[in-house]
Amino acid sequence: EAGVAQSPRYKIIEKRQSVAFWCNPISGHATLYWYQQILGQGPKLLIQFQNNGVVDDSQLPKDRFSAERLKGVDSTLKIQPAKLEDSAVYLCASSLGTSGSNGELFFGEGSRLTVL
Amino acid sequence: SQQGEEDPQALSIQEGENATMNCSYKTSINNLQWYRQNSGRGLVHLILIRSNEREKHSGRLRVTLDTSKKSSSLLITASRAADTASYFCATARNTPLVFGKGTRLSVIA
Repeated sequence: EAGVAQSPRYKIIEKRQSVAFWCNPISGHATLYWYQQILGQGPKLLIQFQNNGVVDDSQLPKDRFSAERLKGVDSTLKIQPAKLEDSAVYLCASSLGTSGSNGELFFGEGSRLTVL
Repeated sequence: SQQGEEDPQALSIQEGENATMNCSYKTSINNLQWYRQNSGRGLVHLILIRSNEREKHSGRLRVTLDTSKKSSSLLITASRAADTASYFCATARNTPLVFGKGTRLSVIA
């Protein structure tokens, strides 16, 4: 079974530039998450999708971050314009169950963003 | 806040020793999960314990849950160098998992 795929693995940009990350979850997983992990900290939820609908985006900085999950499969997370404090690893995860089932999450390897 | 907090922040042990990490949280939960993260990699699920369970085993892992104290512990027995990683607890209650800051475990060969 293929795992969660993310790209790119690494990205370096200058502040005020834009960047996009892509995630392909495990086939059949209804729920997809984007987490932000700053160095030395635990992952912090940015947004949760169930199929192609947003379940929770309360912690997404909507003035600069956007995310979509077209057709309920792949997802993209965009940052525009980037700030220095956006330097972090962006982790995509998926789960088989629907939101609220609180089951196991399967994570991708992450996309490491450095903003200069 | 539902967020779990792991203790200690860092732990260094010799290969073959046991490693114990603790997690405390503040609100009631449906379940608590432990994840491992190797340097530069994504998180890997280790074990899930439900709120009505007190202890669970998986290979060299033993997890306990005390809902009255709102705490959990992860025990890794007979540690190996390959166990070197960060370990996170995550709490769940009808919302997306909330992760703590993690315990960094170093196992010295």
